[in-house]
Amino acid sequence: AQRVTQPEKLLSVFKGAPVELKCNYSYSGSPELFWYVQYSRQRLQLLLRHISRESIKGFTADLNKGETSFHLKKPFAQEEDSAMYYCALQSGNTPLVFGKGTRLSVIA
Amino acid sequence: DTAVSQTPKYLVTQMGNDKSIKCEQNLGHDTMYWYKQDSKKFLKIMFSYNNKELIINETVPNRFSPKSPDKAHLNLHINSLELGDSAVYFCASTQRGGTEAFFGQGTRLTVV
Repeated sequence: AQRVTQPEKLLSVFKGAPVELKCNYSYSGSPELFWYVQYSRQRLQLLLRHISRESIKGFTADLNKGETSFHLKKPFAQEEDSAMYYCALQSGNTPLVFGKGTRLSVIA
Repeated sequence: DTAVSQTPKYLVTQMGNDKSIKCEQNLGHDTMYWYKQDSKKFLKIMFSYNNKELIINETVPNRFSPKSPDKAHLNLHINSLELGDSAVYFCASTQRGGTEAFFGQGTRLTVV
């Protein structure tokens, strides 16, 4: 069964500090992993996906198949990064399976 | 120009009523979904529609029924609303085999 685990419900960091939002997944095949973000009063939107290997808004995420992890990182947090972050997994044509989300709060 | 739009944005109704939430996408996608976000912000898949065919139904009560008049619409109808149905409902769409899901702005349903 597909499962996505985000162990932290809330993560508070100071502005300028590094950020790491953890995500672990459970799937026997080769899934596609994503990070979605939901800013206050906005819709859920794609932040980045592992296949593109790109950096969006300073965030990066590396898929580690050995550890079945897809942690989201940013070297210097900014106040506008405060939001709900969801790690998600997709395989084939099945719908996205989301983790429970982590609320990131960046303190000025 | 909104890619995925839901109406209404807010819905307050009494227990026992029947209500519908509409969703439309103008992206030409062939797969649409309904997700439920509970008070703890947990997102759970409810339905998935592909080419007018329901392909997934994740232990959702049969009081909930998706209706898709065409590929661009997936409406959610709820009968006999209960207090526990209060949540934010998100519609989303993807292209079959595609990797990015586009979400609507959500409908906050409050059952009183």
